[in-house]
Amino acid sequence: GQNIDQPTEMTATEGAIVQINCTYQTSGFNGLFWYQQHAGEAPTFLSYNVLDGLEEKGRFSSFLSRSKGYSYLLLKELQMKDSASYLCAVTDSNYQLIWGAGTKLIIKP
Amino acid sequence: GAVVSQHPSRVICKSGTSVKIECRSLDFQATTMFWYRQFPKQSLMLMATSNEGSKATYEQGVEKDKFLINHASLTLSTLTVTSAHPEDSSFYICSARLGRAYNEQFFGPGTRLTVL
Repeated sequence: GQNIDQPTEMTATEGAIVQINCTYQTSGFNGLFWYQQHAGEAPTFLSYNVLDGLEEKGRFSSFLSRSKGYSYLLLKELQMKDSASYLCAVTDSNYQLIWGAGTKLIIKP
Repeated sequence: GAVVSQHPSRVICKSGTSVKIECRSLDFQATTMFWYRQFPKQSLMLMATSNEGSKATYEQGVEKDKFLINHASLTLSTLTVTSAHPEDSSFYICSARLGRAYNEQFFGPGTRLTVL
């Protein structure tokens, strides 16, 4: 079966760095997305990785290792507004998007 | 960037009535749109994939006669919750995909449905 695992909840301190991991087992791979979702709102796009390596975009970076079926989202200089759920999603061989359950990130002052 | 609108943003209805939710891609043509449902503190659950000009593909466990999907044009898909019951109360979100290969989905703002 297809499976995406990410931690249910993480807590970090304002100004710090946090890494949210995502491991996946899917039938084929055509890219991995990270989305941010604030409570009561729709998800918004953060990043896309299809090749191995690190993609940096401001305070957010995303890493992919296809051989390990592993990705992480790195958030630097955390701000209170970063408190949200972070969703990992993988495109399989049929171009279906398989969603993880999301990681709720709590930022403390 | 690609913009998707959804209407209404909130709806409260009585049990037994039907509710229609519209999803529009404002500045691009979307051959494929997706309908999700999200219960409080849970992740997105894909309900169905809507392809323009053809029947929707429903996920296992989703009743196609209860959740009617129509994708009549490249910019509009509608979801009708028929004979709504309190257990249908949820956050319904649509998304649209630009192209098959890239597969980024652009999300609408969601519709909060409350059935009394």
